[in-house]
Amino acid sequence: QVQLQESGPGLVKPSETLSLTCAVSGYSISSGYYWGWIRQPPGKGLEWIGSIYHSGSTYYNPSLKSRVTISVDTSKNQFSLKLSSVTAADTAVYYCARLSQWLHLFDYWGQGTLVTVSS
Amino acid sequence: DIQMTQSPSSLSASVGDRVTITCQASQDISNYLNWYQQKPGKAPKLLIYDASNLETGVPSRFSGSGSGTDFTFTISSLQPEDIATYYCQQYDNLPPPMYTFGQGTKLEIK
Repeated sequence: QVQLQESGPGLVKPSETLSLTCAVSGYSISSGYYWGWIRQPPGKGLEWIGSIYHSGSTYYNPSLKSRVTISVDTSKNQFSLKLSSVTAADTAVYYCARLSQWLHLFDYWGQGTLVTVSS
Repeated sequence: DIQMTQSPSSLSASVGDRVTITCQASQDISNYLNWYQQKPGKAPKLLIYDASNLETGVPSRFSGSGSGTDFTFTISSLQPEDIATYYCQQYDNLPPPMYTFGQGTKLEIK
């Protein structure tokens, strides 16, 4: 059973960098699939942030591209998100998920972690 | 960018009712349309992929249809456990790939 678990600080100050990690179990990242980050502001809808392949190939939502970096560590079977220059608008539940590049869907999700941007 | 318009934004129905949600794309997306269910405090769960294919383990009362720009999600007989918010999600294959979710439909029991 594929499982994903997000971790990282729940509170980030404005203008700083948000950093989250997603640990994957039950499946080797190196075996295939893309891996992605999606966020959901409180009471609002879902926004795809970006995705990464085990080779390190990435693609990002154009609206966030200038501030986002997604990286992968296959030795630890995990991938990470960095979002720079955060503001209150970046307050959201951040989910990591497995992305099927053949069917273009997110089939396994982490439970999500709330990140609040506040001083 | 392809825009997704999902409607209605909220819906109230009785147990046993047939419920329909629509998603319209601003341009042809073939059948690159998926549907998710999200219960409060939980991650989204995939229900339907490629517009009309039922994900393994999902009850058959859920179904999807459509292609091109107009898509429909249906619950044939609403059950109490179906109370959730439902999202459509499209894939834009113009490089770079782009994934967009609809605004969501909050489904409540009448």
